Amino acid sequence: LAKTTQPISMDSYEGQEVNITCSHNNIATNDYITWYQQFPSQGPRFIIQGYKTKVTNEVASLFIPADRKSSTLSLPRVSLSDTAVYYCLVGELRRQLTFGSGTQLTVLP
Amino acid sequence: DTGVSQDPRHKITKRGQNVTFRCDPISEHNRLYWYRQTLGQGPEFLTYFQNEAQLEKSRLLSDRFSAERPKGSFSTLEIQRTEQGDSAMYLCASSPLGRGNEKLFFGSGTQLSVL
Repeated sequence: LAKTTQPISMDSYEGQEVNITCSHNNIATNDYITWYQQFPSQGPRFIIQGYKTKVTNEVASLFIPADRKSSTLSLPRVSLSDTAVYYCLVGELRRQLTFGSGTQLTVLP
Repeated sequence: DTGVSQDPRHKITKRGQNVTFRCDPISEHNRLYWYRQTLGQGPEFLTYFQNEAQLEKSRLLSDRFSAERPKGSFSTLEIQRTEQGDSAMYLCASSPLGRGNEKLFFGSGTQLSVL
């Protein structure tokens, strides 16, 4: 199973762009990269998923370099409500998926 | 709302008692997962069902834990002879069958406190 490494915490100010990078050096050929967001006392919520290059949806962008050994979640113009823990997950759902400790993002006014 | 539903939201029990949690997945989802999460940590995989078949179980899972998914619909997670170390949030998630790139849809969890 691909192990992931993320920063433990990050601070940002409202309106700024936030980039959270995840390292996954032993990613397998069939593995997808998925990011989840979690607020206190709630289950994680899907944000975005990608396999290679760049993916963009209405809330975030995901950048994946050619070697796929890392990925960067980009949140444009964050607000206070984006304060949460963000998890990077690598693997297929047919196998056990391990969440790391995630990145606590704190958005300041 | 047709999301993943978990019951109860909170459970307080005394050490040594048995507890059972229920999860109702999104109706068309074939896969169902149980995770456990303690404060400051990410969710830890416990077990996984595809329809009614339990296909994976964490090696770390004590034999006091058992899960079922009769008829491939709702699932129950039972913890026998609870210990204080079992105190955690128990999360259920479901996903549709696919090629491995499916999303996990989580419920709000059951917070267990063992006194």
